[in-house]
Amino acid sequence: EDQVTQSPEALRLQEGESSSLNCSYTVSGLRGLFWYRQDPGKGPEFLFTLYSAGEEKEKERLKATLTKKESFLHITAPKPEDSATYLCAVHMGGYQKVTFGTGTKLQVIP
Amino acid sequence: DGGITQSPKYLFRKEGQNVTLSCEQNLNHDAMYWYRQDPGQGLRLIYYSQIVNDFQKGDIAEGYSVSREKKESFPLTVTSAQKNPTAFYLCASSIERYNQPQHFGDGTRLSIL
Repeated sequence: EDQVTQSPEALRLQEGESSSLNCSYTVSGLRGLFWYRQDPGKGPEFLFTLYSAGEEKEKERLKATLTKKESFLHITAPKPEDSATYLCAVHMGGYQKVTFGTGTKLQVIP
Repeated sequence: DGGITQSPKYLFRKEGQNVTLSCEQNLNHDAMYWYRQDPGQGLRLIYYSQIVNDFQKGDIAEGYSVSREKKESFPLTVTSAQKNPTAFYLCASSIERYNQPQHFGDGTRLSIL
């Protein structure tokens, strides 16, 4: 069964303390991996798409990387406004089929 | 600005009542989706539509119905057959091609009176 697992479930960081979030997947025929940010009471906001192992994308303090089995979202020197839930989603071989992980809730403390 | 608009933001359902959630997009996307989000669970697909006048069931379609009469609109009806409708409902759209990300509205929170 295709699965997407995110870890940790929750992460509390001091402002400026860099860390990484993990998204591991057991799917066949990966066509794309997506990262989203979701604020409370809001819809997910698209961040990155990664298509192949070795690919990296960056946006401000965020950097996403991809291997054959997992993706990391690295957060460098986070600020309180980076606090949110980060979702990972995987597009598998089926047409338009996307599987979402349960997310990592990040809290950055001033 | 292009985007996806969901309304209402909050909705309450009485026993035996059908309710309809609105989703409108002006991104000119062909594909549209409805998801349900419950605490501690990933987003679960209810229905999706790749083109006007066509839609397919997702993983949890029982108790829900949709229509796609216009490219811009994809309303979701939560029927009385859905016994556990309390959840956060998200509408999304995407370019109708492999590997394209979905873009989301800000959701409707449905509760039972």
